[in-house]
This record gives sequence, C-alpha cells and structure tokens, in this order.
Amino acid sequence: SQKIEQNSEALNIQEGKTATLTCNYTNYSPAYLQWYRQDPGRGPVFLLLIRENEKEKRKERLKVTFDTTLKQSLFHITASQPADSATYLCAPAGGSQGNLIFGKGTKLSVKP
Amino acid sequence: NAGVTQTPKFRVLKTGQSMTLLCAQDMNHEYMYWYRQDPGMGLRLIHYSVGEGTTAKGEVPDGYNVSRLKKQNFLLGLESAAPSQTSVYFCASSYSSPGTDTQYFGPGTRLTVL
Repeated sequence: SQKIEQNSEALNIQEGKTATLTCNYTNYSPAYLQWYRQDPGRGPVFLLLIRENEKEKRKERLKVTFDTTLKQSLFHITASQPADSATYLCAPAGGSQGNLIFGKGTKLSVKP
Repeated sequence: NAGVTQTPKFRVLKTGQSMTLLCAQDMNHEYMYWYRQDPGMGLRLIHYSVGEGTTAKGEVPDGYNVSRLKKQNFLLGLESAAPSQTSVYFCASSYSSPGTDTQYFGPGTRLTVL
C-alpha cells in the first residue's frame, strides 16, 4: 500500500538557522506533491506544490525539492523565525482520483 | 470571502446518536473533501465530491455518509456514532483536481463520542 513517512515527529532549531524537513513515500509515484502548514487548533494551510518534472520550487524563504528517484521531498525554511513554529504536512498526490495522501507531519519549533 | 466554514465547531455525542456536520464554501469550487485527523495518524480522507450531486468514497468511509445537493455545501453524516469516530473533522475544497490544485481547509469540528 502507499505509504508516506515524515522522518521526524519533532524538530527543534535555533532562530536564524535553516530547517530541513524530509518526506519519503513508497509504493507509488506521485505526479504532484504539496506541503501544508498547520497551527494548533486550525486547519492546514497550503504552502507549495511541486510537479514531478520540477526539481525545485521556491517561495520567499521556503524551498521544496522533489527527487523521484529517491522518492523523497525536502522542505527547507531559511532564516527561520519563531513564527515558523508549526506542524508541516507533506501530501503527495496518489490516492484514487489523484487525491492527496497526507503524512503525519513534523512539528517544528524555532527557539529565539 | 469567508472561505470554508464548518458547523458546529465542537460536539459531544453519545454512542448510537446521529449528527450531521455542515461544510460551506463561497469560492465556487468544484471539489470538496471530508477528512478526519487523529493523533499519530495524520489526515485521512473520508469522502469527497467532484461536483454538485456527486460523491465518492475515500480511504476511511465506513460509518459515514455524505451529500452534495448544492455546489457550495458538503454534508457529512454519522448515522450511529461510535467512540472510534471521536476525532477532529476537516472539510476542504479545491477549484480543480486534488493533486494539482490548492486545497482550502475549514477550521475543523472537534467531535467526541462517549
């Protein structure tokens, strides 16, 4: 069955450093992969979408890579700030009708 | 624009009771989704709709029914609630197909079944 793994449940980093979150998937080949941010008690908010033919996508301090050979996506936040503290969800498309399959998320804490 | 709204925000049910969760979106989106989120499990798709009058099963549909009589509304029903349905329920919508387009999520409904 299709499986998504976000390799860290929690990641603690110092303000100003780069946060790197990992998403691995197995048993399928998604054509698209999305990343979402979720704050406590709130619904997820879309951040970035990357296609299988794109190696990298950037948006302000965010960067996503998509390696279809390794079956892995990396999500980077440069110059991290305490306001970046949240849970980040990886969601490759691959269910029926191309629905998103969400990972369990990585909780990022940025300390001042 | 209100985006995606969900009613109610919180609800406590007894085992065997029924209820309906309402999702409304004002973005004229074709696609709508119901997810549940449990600790350690991530978001799981319950049912979804690709347009008014259509519904389809997701990953965990058992114990739930849905209806999409109007394009802007997507209802999730629990006919006979069970403690295993205690969860946070999120509705989402997108303009086009799920993998290729942004999904906009509602604020969630926290349901407890005793």
